[in-house]
Amino acid sequence: SQQGEEDPQALSIQEGENATMNCSYKTSINNLQWYRQNSGRGLVHLILIRSNEREKHSGRLRVTLDTSKKSSSLLITASRAADTASYFCALLDYAGGTSYGKLTFGQGTILTVHP
Amino acid sequence: EAQVTQNPRYLITVTGKKLTVTCSQNMNHEYMSWYRQDPGLGLRQIYYSMNVEVTDKGDVPEGYKVSRKEKRNFPLILESPSPNQTSLYFCASSRLDRPEFPQHFGDGTRLSIL
Repeated sequence: SQQGEEDPQALSIQEGENATMNCSYKTSINNLQWYRQNSGRGLVHLILIRSNEREKHSGRLRVTLDTSKKSSSLLITASRAADTASYFCALLDYAGGTSYGKLTFGQGTILTVHP
Repeated sequence: EAQVTQNPRYLITVTGKKLTVTCSQNMNHEYMSWYRQDPGLGLRQIYYSMNVEVTDKGDVPEGYKVSRKEKRNFPLILESPSPNQTSLYFCASSRLDRPEFPQHFGDGTRLSIL
């Protein structure tokens, strides 16, 4: 199964700035999901974008998907210190059968927001 | 409160001593899964289950066993743990009728095998 590749591996910004994280993948997907992980805790689902969608918003989050480039971006606007966490993209493979319901996670981007 | 509960949260044990990490969810989810998280490798799926008595291997199943006798429980069994199984483990669950639904994660179990 494929794995998303995230970029950058680490990002350090000041409060109030925007944070952009990218995820690239190799084969067709059914959907792409973004998760957040606070240090030492479980992952929390943030937002999902389907393969036929190009952009979605949720509060301060904006996700884009470019299936021709096989890439997605997560934008956090007006960041806060509380946004400090690791962010992961997760891919649901297009094919059914044994790939049904199986998410593959990228290695994550560590975001640090300084007060 | 909807949740996935893992126990124990932390465990230090020795090579070869069988251990079980329990996972329970209260959302009546069909799908449950185990992942391990290691630095530089992200999350890798160990085993998953689409329903009671239906389990299948993920990407890194060697050295692990699972069972799904009840819908709410999905224990992870290490019959003969080895140091390379030292890791942070997560259990997750989701509905299966709409597979794009998000996974709900437990808070993790940190295992150290000496």
